[in-house]
Amino acid sequence: DADVTQTPRNRITKTGKRIMLECSQTKGHDRMYWYRQDPGLGLRLIYYSFDVKDINKGEISDGYSVSRQAQAKFSLSLESAIPNQTALYFCATLGGPGQGNNEQFFGPGTRLTVL
Amino acid sequence: QKEVEQNSGPLSVPEGAIASLNCTYSDRVSQSFFWYRQYSGKSPELIMSIYSNGDKEDGRFTAQLNKASQYVSLLIRDSQPSDSATYLCAVNREPGSARQLTFGSGTQLTVLP
Repeated sequence: DADVTQTPRNRITKTGKRIMLECSQTKGHDRMYWYRQDPGLGLRLIYYSFDVKDINKGEISDGYSVSRQAQAKFSLSLESAIPNQTALYFCATLGGPGQGNNEQFFGPGTRLTVL
Repeated sequence: QKEVEQNSGPLSVPEGAIASLNCTYSDRVSQSFFWYRQYSGKSPELIMSIYSNGDKEDGRFTAQLNKASQYVSLLIRDSQPSDSATYLCAVNREPGSARQLTFGSGTQLTVLP
């Protein structure tokens, strides 16, 4: 089984709809991240979390929210989707001290299209 | 100026040649540097990390860091068609570990058989 899973893998939705992207990991890592990737722009950090009580905004958090339900689960929500949120979204984990430090794993990605 | 800049390519090299990928960064306090490989439609995969000036070798890959000139490079020796991918450079301020990364937009490498 994959270490980092994302659901759904593909989603097409309409402007104004609420969307939740889910991420689960079996690595036991404390640190979890949400990125979006757009052609020519690389990966941009949306939110990150170092534990269930620690949530931090990244470079492009506007229009997004997150929830860290457990060490293994980190969800990204778009409260009211807009077309420029069409992108490929990646969840990632990172081991902290004693957890395979620097070992970063990305999920397979969710391709989101907002019409 | 972008925080992390890479030549978008595409960079084409013949099989067996050395591929050289370059990355420059703007924040002088950057401490940790990473190279990721991303195949088309797939997620990024960490292939190298480097924290101090000089070279770090791992198999066919060598990462080179020059903090004074603010660049980091990746050399791929004996390039294979399976190395064809987009290579992402990433940096962060935190010493010793990837805490919050800033990524470049990537260099597309094609290795010609």
